[in-house]
Amino acid sequence: QKEVEQDPGPLSVPEGAIVSLNCTYSNSAFQYFMWYRQYSRKGPELLMYTYSSGNKEDGRFTAQVDKSSKYISLFIRDSQPSDSATYLCAMNGNTGKLIFGQGTTLQVKP
Amino acid sequence: NAGVMQNPRHLVRRRGQEARLRCSPMKGHSHVYWYRQLPEEGLKFMVYLQKENIIDESGMPKERFSAEFPKEGPSILRIQQVVRGDSAAYFCASSPLARGNSNQPQHFGDGTRLSIL
Repeated sequence: QKEVEQDPGPLSVPEGAIVSLNCTYSNSAFQYFMWYRQYSRKGPELLMYTYSSGNKEDGRFTAQVDKSSKYISLFIRDSQPSDSATYLCAMNGNTGKLIFGQGTTLQVKP
Repeated sequence: NAGVMQNPRHLVRRRGQEARLRCSPMKGHSHVYWYRQLPEEGLKFMVYLQKENIIDESGMPKERFSAEFPKEGPSILRIQQVVRGDSAAYFCASSPLARGNSNQPQHFGDGTRLSIL
């Protein structure tokens, strides 16, 4: 079993839709949770960074962490074609080592 | 306000040659991390370095791979005697010094795509 599970998709939605991306994990030592966006042939770009359980909002993006269920989510409101990319969840404890999900490919159609 | 800089962006080597990948962290960042991304897979941690120290190399193969982050200059990931299976995208990330016990987010470069002929 992988430490972090993420549905690879692909996920296709119409422009303006609300997108929900999810990851589950097995290591209860994880405390820091991140979402990265990666465009083709580019490096991962940090979107959201959260510590422990709760919600965090930044513009059209909302990150949720539920440590009791070992489940994290990223919501994208009013999705745009420019949001089409691969979204990676990542997490770690107090070490520098990030554990990534496989990534979900999102396509937002105009 | 330069981000993490990696070079070269693309590197082609023949089997048995050496590959050297360079990474300059963001200004003010003293921690460097290397990850490898194989096709259709997520990023896998390789090594974590601070200036002149390897902190965690648990993800790096024991043979042929080495990494350094000298006092001056970029971090180097070195792969000796490359094989076809080394073909991948190699990403470097950097972060600032951790505050107390808190972690700091990692920011990534655009990677080096290594192809082995």
